[in-house]
This record gives sequence, C-alpha cells and structure tokens, in this order.
Amino acid sequence: GAVVSQHPSRVICKSGTSVKIECRSLDFQATTMFWYRQFPKKSLMLMATSNEGSKATYEQGVEKDKFLINHASLTLSTLTVTSAHPEDSSFYICSARGMGERNSPLHFGNGTRLTVT
Amino acid sequence: QKEVEQNSGPLSVPEGAIASLNCTYSDRVSQSFFWYRQYSGKSPELIMSIYSNGDKEDGRFTAQLNKASQYVSLLIRDSQPSDSATYLCAVKYFGNEKLTFGTGTRLTIIP
Repeated sequence: GAVVSQHPSRVICKSGTSVKIECRSLDFQATTMFWYRQFPKKSLMLMATSNEGSKATYEQGVEKDKFLINHASLTLSTLTVTSAHPEDSSFYICSARGMGERNSPLHFGNGTRLTVT
Repeated sequence: QKEVEQNSGPLSVPEGAIASLNCTYSDRVSQSFFWYRQYSGKSPELIMSIYSNGDKEDGRFTAQLNKASQYVSLLIRDSQPSDSATYLCAVKYFGNEKLTFGTGTRLTIIP
C-alpha cells in the first residue's frame, strides 16, 4: 500500500512555457503533500507543503508565483512551473503522508525530470 | 536552524562486510527518524523508521537511535553490490509536518 504516482516522469520543454506535474496518492488519502526539488548529487530541498483545500506553504526563497501548487482533492496535488527557464531544470519529487499518520514516513512518487531548453 | 548532518562520503565497503552510516541532528525536540535509500536518477525509498532509543532490526538492516547523543545510524550487514546507493537520513521534528533531510551518504559496495 501507500503508493504515490507522479506524472510525467520526464519532460522537456522550451524556455518560457509552463509545465504541470501531477502527484496522486493511489490507495490512501493524503491531506498533506510535499514537493521537493533535487539538483544532481545534492540532497532533497523542500519547496512547499501542500494541504488539501488550502493554500500551500512555501519554503523561504521559493517563488510561489513561479511554482504554483494546487491540492484540490485528498488524492491529487499539482505543481506548475510557470514560464520555465533553464535554471528550473531539475528533478522534482512529490511525497505524501496519509491521514492521521503524523509521525509516519513520507511516501515518495517516482519523480519528474524536467529539462528546460 | 534545525540541521541533519551526514558524512557525504563516498563510503566504500567490500562485499559481505558491514556498512555503517551515521547521522547527527540538532535540536532535541525530534520525534521520528527515517533512513531512505536513493539510487541515481530515482526517488528515495524508505528503508527503516525508528521512533525510540535503541536498535531496530529488519533483515540485513539495523537502525540505532540515541536521542541523548542526537545520532541515528544505519548498519547494513552482508553488504551487496545492490546496496550501492545514496542513503538519506531524515528527521521529523515535533509539531512540524515536514521531514528534514541530511545531505546523504554515497555508499559503494565493492565486489
């Protein structure tokens, strides 16, 4: 159980376009989802915490107008990278924790490799 | 600023030996501790969770937690080449939903 599906796994887009990444909890309901970014050979950097039905909480230094997060249901959160630039190229990973599991580990999606040309 | 620190490695261990990975963390109000394994180009996968002081064993893996000294370790017995990966330590602090990750230790098992 506790499967998180992330789509797409890989995307290449042109500079200036927007890209949407979906994160779904397949067999559990997730009131909270987390979006991470990872550069090569670096650790995970938390971008924002997404709560169902409310605005996301962004970490310091993360532009909320550039990285739009929507968590419209208990099983789906989306991250939209708006007006993408080459420096946005990175590995984006979502994760989720089930309802009532405040101390449990996070379940990760398979990640999305974004390349902006 | 809460911190989770790991030796970045690389750590090289002969096949069949014990690999020992360490993690220290600041701030005593910590609640839950996790070890994740991440293969290159893949997302992290959970190896172990530990919530109380002492040892927790799961197959070839043993997690050790010492809250007084603020460290958590992961031992991998009978290391296999497939264990070669980056191991991430993560801490959940009390009253905070998110996990704080260390920078990871790159482990290489030498056949």
